[in-house]
Amino acid sequence: DTAVSQTPKYLVTQMGNDKSIKCEQNLGHDTMYWYKQDSKKFLKIMFSYNNKELIINETVPNRFSPKSPDKAHLNLHINSLELGDSAVYFCASSQANGDSPLHFGNGTRLTVT
Amino acid sequence: AQSVTQLDSHVSVSEGTPVLLRCNYSSSYSPSLFWYVQHPNKGLQLLLKYTSAATLVKGINGFEAEFKKSETSFHLTKPSAHMSDAAEYFCVVTISGSARQLTFGSGTQLTVLP
Repeated sequence: DTAVSQTPKYLVTQMGNDKSIKCEQNLGHDTMYWYKQDSKKFLKIMFSYNNKELIINETVPNRFSPKSPDKAHLNLHINSLELGDSAVYFCASSQANGDSPLHFGNGTRLTVT
Repeated sequence: AQSVTQLDSHVSVSEGTPVLLRCNYSSSYSPSLFWYVQHPNKGLQLLLKYTSAATLVKGINGFEAEFKKSETSFHLTKPSAHMSDAAEYFCVVTISGSARQLTFGSGTQLTVLP
């Protein structure tokens, strides 16, 4: 009964490939997020969706595209992968109220070779 | 604008001794503040949050934090460290009521020595 689940846990791929990471939450939250954590553990928000609508779209390459088929799912597609994309990507969810804490998935470690 | 500064990138304590992880924030508005913990190969888990109620906030696993507006601080403490407390800790600030404005600190790695 995992609250926020993302797959795969590990993803190793070559430069230039296209890959996707899936995320699902069963908490009934209306807002979902993608964060990128670099090798120094710094967390940076990439995208946020509220009820399937994009509300935060930080400065990330347009090779990254989020897709939200419904408010329980937020997938991340990455085209033409580059070495610098190697990181841990976290999905999270919350209620829209800013006082509501984030619930994180366990992360997807992406390694681009 | 808002920002959060975790004053120590690494803290090392002996098991059974007190833990202090320091966090200072800057916010133009009334802030909400959180502490999250990240164990190896895991996502972040909420420890506690401050949302303009009591200034001393108690969280899970014996942790607590005190909101001090005059010092713009929200330090995390625990009276007695346990080996299982070894992890990365993140202080987070947001504008109260806004999920869009979360700002994460750079993290503090806590090591607990036997």
